[in-house]
Amino acid sequence: AQSVTQLDSQVPVFEEAPVELRCNYSSSVSVYLFWYVQYPNQGLQLLLKYLSGSTLVKGINGFEAEFNKSQTSFHLRKPSVHISDTAEYFCAVSDSATPRSGGSQGNLIFGKGTKLSVKP
Amino acid sequence: DSGVTQTPKHLITATGQRVTLRCSPRSGDLSVYWYQQSLDQGLQFLIHYYNGEERAKGNILERFSAQQFPDLHSELNLSSLELGDSALYFCASSLQGSGANVLTFGAGSRLTVL
Repeated sequence: AQSVTQLDSQVPVFEEAPVELRCNYSSSVSVYLFWYVQYPNQGLQLLLKYLSGSTLVKGINGFEAEFNKSQTSFHLRKPSVHISDTAEYFCAVSDSATPRSGGSQGNLIFGKGTKLSVKP
Repeated sequence: DSGVTQTPKHLITATGQRVTLRCSPRSGDLSVYWYQQSLDQGLQFLIHYYNGEERAKGNILERFSAQQFPDLHSELNLSSLELGDSALYFCASSLQGSGANVLTFGAGSRLTVL
C-alpha cells in the first residue's frame, strides 16, 4: 500500500521569500504524484501533477515540483511567495495497480497537509 | 467553479440522525470518489464508483453507504450519526477509473453533528 509523508505541518515564510514544501512517498509500484491546494473554506484545487516524462513539472501560480524516484520525493517549490499563497497544501499519490497487488487503482492517497503562512 | 457540484454546502443535525450528501460529477466524468476531511484524520478516502459500479472501498464505516445512479450522480448516506462524524465531505470526479487519473474536487459538504 502507498503512503505519503509531508514532513512539515506548518511553514511560515515572509512575502517574496522562496519556499519548499516537502513530500515523500512510499509505494511498491510506479506512481503518479499530485499537489493540491486548499484555500480557507474552499475545496481542493489541483496545483500540478507528475504522470510521466520530465521529472520537473510546472503548475499554476508559479509553483513547480520535482519527482525524484531514488529519494521517493516530490517536493513543491516557489521562488517568491505572495500573501495570496497562504493556504494548506496537500501531496497525493496514486497508481494503476489494483488494491490486491498493493496499488490504489487510481484513488488518491493524501498526506496530512502543510499549512503555508505567508507574512508581510 | 470546478464543475463538480455538491449539495448541501452545510448541514447541521443531531446524533442518531441520517443524512444524504449529493454529488454531480463534471460533465463526461464516469468516476466519483468520496473523501472525508477531519482535523484529526486528515483526508481519508471513503469509496469510489465508476460508471455505476463500486470500484474500491477505503475507510468507510458500516453506517455509511453510497451509490452512483445511471445519470452518474452519486449520493453518500450517513446514518446513526455520531459526534465524530462531523467533518467536511468531498466528492471528486474523473474521466477514468484507474491509471493516470486526475481528480477534480467539489467544494465540499460540511456536516456538523450536535
